[in-house]
Amino acid sequence: ETGVTQTPRHLVMGMTNKKSLKCEQHLGHNAMYWYKQSAKKPLELMFVYSLEERVENNSVPSRFSPECPNSSHLFLHLHTLQPEDSALYLCASSHRTQNEQFFGPGTRLTVL
Amino acid sequence: GIQVEQSPPDLILQEGANSTLRCNFSDSVNNLQWFHQNPWGQLINLFYIPSGTKQNGRLSATTVATERYSLLYISSSQTTDSGVYFCAVEREGGGNKLTFGTGTQLKVEL
Repeated sequence: ETGVTQTPRHLVMGMTNKKSLKCEQHLGHNAMYWYKQSAKKPLELMFVYSLEERVENNSVPSRFSPECPNSSHLFLHLHTLQPEDSALYLCASSHRTQNEQFFGPGTRLTVL
Repeated sequence: GIQVEQSPPDLILQEGANSTLRCNFSDSVNNLQWFHQNPWGQLINLFYIPSGTKQNGRLSATTVATERYSLLYISSSQTTDSGVYFCAVEREGGGNKLTFGTGTQLKVEL
């Protein structure tokens, strides 16, 4: 595997479900990011992890909970989501000191 | 925060035509990237270009950081160039945070 991978690619969940999105990077980077892209809107940064420490939480509701166990993996734990949380969730990675970001294919999330 | 504006918002071209996409930003930056988002949502890196000019095949980009704008040139456009083109910038001292523009939706027709 090369680049940045994300699983699952599609997810449908109810408002009471708990699910997790997974991101893995194979580029030797040490910073990882979660973005949200809603329909007809630009990408919005959600979380930044640098050297496995969260350095940014961009006013994201607590129903989204990130986890970065090591520099290659990033998770986004989801619980009690709302229909307005339906969106494309994109993961990215970069070197901490040279911020050229590379993106995964995204998870298209639908909340019923 | 930094503002990023892209123009035009929509563009329709005949195959073989050339085009220029523009990105204006409101503050000094130390990172600027151009991306192409395909119909499946994948963001494809086109250029990492905080300043200067770069070329890659039919695409080229120029960033004039002192005047706070960047241009993406597409020559001899093909139907596979269709999609949304995003500019994203990191403000100086911005802590690795990219701010995305609203994008240019390009459709290339036969």
